[in-house]
Amino acid sequence: DIQMTQSPSSLSASVGDRVTITCRASQSISSSLNWYQQKPGKAPTFLIYDASSLQSGVPSRFSGSGSGTAFTLTITSLQAEDSATYYCQQSYSTPPTFGGGTKVEIK
Amino acid sequence: QVHLVESGGGVVQPGGSLRLSCASSGFTFRSFGMHWVRQAPGKGLEWVAVVSFDGSDTNYAASVTGRFKISRDTSKNTLYLQMHSLRTEDTAVYFCAKEGCGGGDCNTFASWGQGTLVTVSS
Repeated sequence: DIQMTQSPSSLSASVGDRVTITCRASQSISSSLNWYQQKPGKAPTFLIYDASSLQSGVPSRFSGSGSGTAFTLTITSLQAEDSATYYCQQSYSTPPTFGGGTKVEIK
Repeated sequence: QVHLVESGGGVVQPGGSLRLSCASSGFTFRSFGMHWVRQAPGKGLEWVAVVSFDGSDTNYAASVTGRFKISRDTSKNTLYLQMHSLRTEDTAVYFCAKEGCGGGDCNTFASWGQGTLVTVSS
């Protein structure tokens, strides 16, 4: 199975800050990388697919980049409603696997 | 608009069985693969199983192989997860999720239900 590692596991930032979350795969997954947002007590929502393609309806302050084994999710100007846990997930092979999550808190 | 509603969760003793359902609407159910993903309390996400758009192919996480069975009823637009020999470590919120690509399997979870809690405890 492909292991996904996210860092940091949590962060605290102010409204308007630029936030970057890193995700690494244990082997090359090309661009087969998705990002999800999960708010407390809610189901995850789909943010980004194929490493950098924004899902319809997702604010443009979210962006993704990377290929191979290293990927990033960037929020260019953090908003209060972005307080959530973010997960990366590889879609390259079965079983699909998730990173451990990054909890983003607002200062 | 895609709408997925899980049901069937509850409290069950170790070794017991439970069947989860996921009622789907807002899309052509027979055209998309469907997944189950679970989340143990306070933990991250774990993929459980997938069934292909036509029900001909299934795949399971190693942790549930031989104990869980995923299936679908196109006439009812409903996805199922039959769980047997439940263990305490199966305690989790179980989400159903719609595949992101039609007619294929791209291991992408485009839409999610709200989840149903399964608690395995004596």
